Amino acid sequence: AQSVTQLDSQVPVFEEAPVELRCNYSSSVSVYLFWYVQYPNQGLQLLLKYLSGSTLVKGINGFEAEFNKSQTSFHLRKPSVHISDTAEYFCAVSDQGQGAQKLVFGQGTRLTINP
Amino acid sequence: DAGITQSPRHKVTETGTPVTLRCHQTENHRYMYWYRQDPGHGLRLIHYSYGVKDTDKGEVSDGYSVSRSKTEDFLLTLESATSSQTSVYFCATRPPLMNTEAFFGQGTRLTVV
Repeated sequence: AQSVTQLDSQVPVFEEAPVELRCNYSSSVSVYLFWYVQYPNQGLQLLLKYLSGSTLVKGINGFEAEFNKSQTSFHLRKPSVHISDTAEYFCAVSDQGQGAQKLVFGQGTRLTINP
Repeated sequence: DAGITQSPRHKVTETGTPVTLRCHQTENHRYMYWYRQDPGHGLRLIHYSYGVKDTDKGEVSDGYSVSRSKTEDFLLTLESATSSQTSVYFCATRPPLMNTEAFFGQGTRLTVV
């Protein structure tokens, strides 16, 4: 079984500042890793995913994440945030098996951008 | 977007009544999932399906049942709604290929009074 811990429930930052949202996972098998974003009153949209290969993954809207296997982490970063990045961000993992690859989510991090 | 429609989008119901939420997809994705979203818990898996008439329980399945009689429809039923089932419910789908992400519907906000 897998579990995901997002280390910060809320992160306030000023516009144009850098941000890092932290995610640690636990699993006894190899996993795929995902970051989803949820804007107010909407569903979840994929930001980026790590499947294999390069540990630095680039996603939409200028976000990137780095997979660190030894630290079992998958932190999300953006060098300069905008007001429009205000949203809730979810880290998720799934196993690499051939079945349903069910997603296990973290608790979410609410990112608030202040002008 | 994967063409996922959830209905209704909002519902208020009374304790003890049955409720059915519908998820309809137009992408012919094999896998479908129901999650509930609650503050401080993220999204938790209720039930999932890996094909027509093939379903299985997730992490928080007590009090819920599901059915999938057609590829495109996945129904979630609360047999007798309780206040603890007040939540936002999300349907997700995923194609049969490996290495693909899940796609999410817009959610159904359910309030049990």
